[in-house]
Amino acid sequence: SAVISQKPSRDICQRGTSLTIQCQVDSQVTMMFWYRQQPGQSLTLIATANQGSEATYESGFVIDKFPISRPNLTFSTLTVSNMSPEDSSIYLCSVDGRGNEQFFGPGTRLTVL
Amino acid sequence: KNEVEQSPQNLTAQEGEFITINCSYSVGISALHWLQQHPGGGIVSLFMLSSGKKKHGRLIATINIQEKHSSLHITASHPRDSAVYICAVRYNYGGSQGNLIFGKGTKLSVKP
Repeated sequence: SAVISQKPSRDICQRGTSLTIQCQVDSQVTMMFWYRQQPGQSLTLIATANQGSEATYESGFVIDKFPISRPNLTFSTLTVSNMSPEDSSIYLCSVDGRGNEQFFGPGTRLTVL
Repeated sequence: KNEVEQSPQNLTAQEGEFITINCSYSVGISALHWLQQHPGGGIVSLFMLSSGKKKHGRLIATINIQEKHSSLHITASHPRDSAVYICAVRYNYGGSQGNLIFGKGTKLSVKP
């Protein structure tokens, strides 16, 4: 299994500012996934972060808005830039385990005023 | 369009009741996941299925590949089972695996 921690667990931010969310895994993993869950909605994949290469973004998400870093095999950050109230969501990081089992972090609950 | 549909959206039960949550999907998949999300937002993986049935404690998950349908059952429900239960599938795309596609979740509330 993989144990994932995220920081911060929650934050309230002002419109126009940026927030960086950290994700730490207790084991080395090839791919890390960043998801967004808007209120009342299902999880949506923002991007896949591979160590040593640029993140792969899903349709509707761009690097300028959601820059991602992946400096090593246990850590990644997601930045939500120039925030607006529509960015209020839970942001989760996730990794694949052996046999494609999924492990998720505790989530970061973001509120943008 | 590849979608994952869950029913019901909301479910209220009395403690001790048997609960069933349903999930249907549209095309061939390589795996189906049942996840549990507590109010704080964190998600725990309950089951990963590609066929048949799995049981863990009071939880049972079944999948019917032909009917493209899965169910999550909770026996002897308890207030601590109150959470959002999410179905997610990984579709097959010509032999390669796609990303996980998530249902909107079923919000379960078990009353004492």
